[in-house]
Amino acid sequence: GESVGLHLPTLSVQEGDNSIINCAYSNSASDYFIWYKQESGKGPQFIIDIRSNMDKRQGQRVTVLLNKTVKHLSLQIAATQPGDSAVYFCADPVSGNTPLVFGKGTRLSVIA
Amino acid sequence: GAGVSQSPRYKVAKRGQDVALRCDPISGHVSLFWYQQALGQGPEFLTYFQNEAQLDKSGLPSDRFFAERPEGSVSTLKIQRTQQEDSAVYLCASIPPTAGVGEQFFGPGTRLTVL
Repeated sequence: GESVGLHLPTLSVQEGDNSIINCAYSNSASDYFIWYKQESGKGPQFIIDIRSNMDKRQGQRVTVLLNKTVKHLSLQIAATQPGDSAVYFCADPVSGNTPLVFGKGTRLSVIA
Repeated sequence: GAGVSQSPRYKVAKRGQDVALRCDPISGHVSLFWYQQALGQGPEFLTYFQNEAQLDKSGLPSDRFFAERPEGSVSTLKIQRTQQEDSAVYLCASIPPTAGVGEQFFGPGTRLTVL
């Protein structure tokens, strides 16, 4: 079945350092992935997405890398700031316009 | 408002009580999703509407859960005879008409605690 999971439940980084959050998936047919950020007391917020015909996509301070060979994707946050402290989820729609399947999440804590 | 709103933000119910959770999506968003998020977990899909049509309810955990969106805008998630295992944050999300399923705009959620 569909499975989207994260390697580490928590990650602590110094302010200004780069953060890397990893995610593994099991369905080789998955062709679209999304990263969400969820701050305490709020709903998830879309950060960036990537399709399987790409292996890298960059946004503002964020980069997502996709390795289809090992079914792994990562979210890199450059110059991590205190406002980046949140839980980060990777998500994968099962197919087409069906709902997202979320991983368990990684809690990122930024140490000032 | 500019975003998805949900009410109430917090709900405490006694076991066996019925509850109704409301979602006001962003105006013009035709697709609406409900998710359940247990503590320390990612959101899990409950049900999906396109306009007033409930296209998928496969995630509803039991027949005590019921959702409706009669006029294709506001949606209500109703839980009958609440149980302690229903305690969770219930999230609503909507999607703009031309956007893909990944671009979901989430509300802040309703935290339900069943005593």
